[in-house]
Amino acid sequence: KAGVTQTPRYLIKTRGQQVTLSCSPISGHRSVSWYQQTPGQGLQFLFEYFSETQRNKGNFPGRFSGRQFSNSRSEMNVSTLELGDSALYLCASSGQVPGETQYFGPGTRLLVL
Amino acid sequence: AQSVAQPEDQVNVAEGNPLTVKCTYSVSGNPYLFWYVQYPNRGLQFLLKYITGDNLVKGSYGFEAEFNKSQTSFHLKKPSALVSDSALYFCAATTPYNQGGKLIFGQGTELSVKP
Repeated sequence: KAGVTQTPRYLIKTRGQQVTLSCSPISGHRSVSWYQQTPGQGLQFLFEYFSETQRNKGNFPGRFSGRQFSNSRSEMNVSTLELGDSALYLCASSGQVPGETQYFGPGTRLLVL
Repeated sequence: AQSVAQPEDQVNVAEGNPLTVKCTYSVSGNPYLFWYVQYPNRGLQFLLKYITGDNLVKGSYGFEAEFNKSQTSFHLKKPSALVSDSALYFCAATTPYNQGGKLIFGQGTELSVKP
């Protein structure tokens, strides 16, 4: 099976802009979770989508949003970018039961200037 | 608050020696426990997980982990380290199902294996 794919791999934006990141899960996986990884804060959970519905949410401001499509592909959007949003954004997919093993994509490296 | 702790930011080991990367957790119930590895500029790769049963779990690339319920620990081990094992290792635990079954991570431990 193909693994989790994320596009784009690298992105440079300026403050105030918005960005959309995409994640395609492993075939058959219906849950997609998003994480932000930074040197200072480590890995932080953003949100999880299952069957096109947000099932869990972390403690991020409303500028961070996501959605999931009927084919389980997911997008994450960050509006009004801030310098502190520079990070590696990781997507992970898993089966339908909470607690199942999550398999991660390679990540999207976002740099905000 | 639910948390996972990796007390060592860095672990240095000589090639061929055994390695241990420590992890403790403070999560209610009986969480699932995981170890992931991350190589530079890559995503996380799943190594192994503990759900229930035998306290010694075997995983990928010769790694194993020992679960200790009384000490709420889940230490990662390997009998003989390789230079190629040098990477960033993350321990993670799931929150209870009725709290969403979210995955929470430790801060990571940088493993350096020298020839």
